[in-house]
Amino acid sequence: RKEVEQDPGPFNVPEGATVAFNCTYSNSASQSFFWYRQDCRKEPKLLMSVYSSGNEDGRFTAQLNRASQYISLLIRDSKLSDSATYLCVVRGGADGLTFGKGTHLIIQP
Amino acid sequence: DGGITQSPKYLFRKEGQNVTLSCEQNLNHDAMYWYRQDPGQGLRLIYYSQIVNDFQKGDIAEGYSVSREKKESFPLTVTSAQKNPTAFYLCASSISPGRNSPLHFGNGTRLTVT
Repeated sequence: RKEVEQDPGPFNVPEGATVAFNCTYSNSASQSFFWYRQDCRKEPKLLMSVYSSGNEDGRFTAQLNRASQYISLLIRDSKLSDSATYLCVVRGGADGLTFGKGTHLIIQP
Repeated sequence: DGGITQSPKYLFRKEGQNVTLSCEQNLNHDAMYWYRQDPGQGLRLIYYSQIVNDFQKGDIAEGYSVSREKKESFPLTVTSAQKNPTAFYLCASSISPGRNSPLHFGNGTRLTVT
């Protein structure tokens, strides 16, 4: 089983819609979780950390479900500029981080 | 402005040549990392350093070498032993190697070896 799994997509979503995607992880001892955004041919940029109680930053909401070992990202009122690849990142071991391969999101006008 | 600087942005080399990628940060971060990204693949860890003068191999260290002589700098050398060196290389840093520290990335170096 892969350590961090994401649906690669692409998710094609009309502008203004709400979209959500999940990321599952295999290491039950994982300690911290992050969502990154990566634009084509650019570096990943931190979107938000994911806290146990769930957290929100503007139109973005992140949730953690430890029992089922997944995290989720929900984007409300999607904008054209939200088109990107979203990377799930899980920290569990001494060296830290495992990256998912990303979910590709395309917001259509 | 604080940040992580990678240079050059694009690098071309002939097969059989060693090449060194630069990574400098002025964020006063303790931990630094090198990742490689190939099309359709997730980021894979090459080397990381939690403190000056110390570094550890990641998942794909073969054919690479690093040094950490200064806190600010973590150069990566891609040696001729690396079989598939063409890739997008990303340097990152975090405040500490601790569990709640996210990574901050440089803007990457695209290496093409022919």
